[in-house]
Amino acid sequence: AQSVSQHNHHVILSEAASLELGCNYSYGGTVNLFWYVQYPGQHLQLLLKYFSGDPLVKGIKGFEAEFIKSKFSFNLRKPSVQWSDTAEYFCAVNPEEDMGRRALTFGSGTRLQVQP
Amino acid sequence: KAGVTQTPRYLIKTRGQQVTLSCSPISGHRSVSWYQQTPGQGLQFLFEYFSETQRNKGNFPGRFSGRQFSNSRSEMNVSTLELGDSALYLCASRNLGGYTEAFFGQGTRLTVV
Repeated sequence: AQSVSQHNHHVILSEAASLELGCNYSYGGTVNLFWYVQYPGQHLQLLLKYFSGDPLVKGIKGFEAEFIKSKFSFNLRKPSVQWSDTAEYFCAVNPEEDMGRRALTFGSGTRLQVQP
Repeated sequence: KAGVTQTPRYLIKTRGQQVTLSCSPISGHRSVSWYQQTPGQGLQFLFEYFSETQRNKGNFPGRFSGRQFSNSRSEMNVSTLELGDSALYLCASRNLGGYTEAFFGQGTRLTVV
């Protein structure tokens, strides 16, 4: 079974600082990769996704992520965070080998706190 | 376009009772998945339905069940509730035309006392 690791559980940054959140997965086959964000009191929203093609994907609100297949990683980045980025961030994986298995495996999440 | 709608938003139940949660997917989406979110275990996959058939099931006991109706609306049921079932239950829908992401509802917060 696949698993997803998010090594940073709680990150505190000042506004304008750069952000990088790590995500590693364990699965030998082809995967679809996602980053979701959960703002306080709100539902999970998709930040960005990778299915194929350019391994550097850009999402909403200035976020981007790079898929490095050799490292089984899909790290999330943002050059300059804002107070409104305070939220919990989840990395998720969906193996592609069995199209009938549409189950997302989530990492444990990273709580980002941006201080003004 | 309306999003994924889950009802009710909050529930308080007593141990041993059963509960039914409802999810209306985005119009046109035929796949509905359910997830349990807890502080200790994070987000865990419960099951997925497509065209009224359960296609995939996570590692949860048989007390957790679900179904999907012909209009793609889905319900999940938890019988003989335990304190550990207290969680946020999330529903997600997908459009299966090609590579697509899951869209999540706001969840139902279940508290078992």
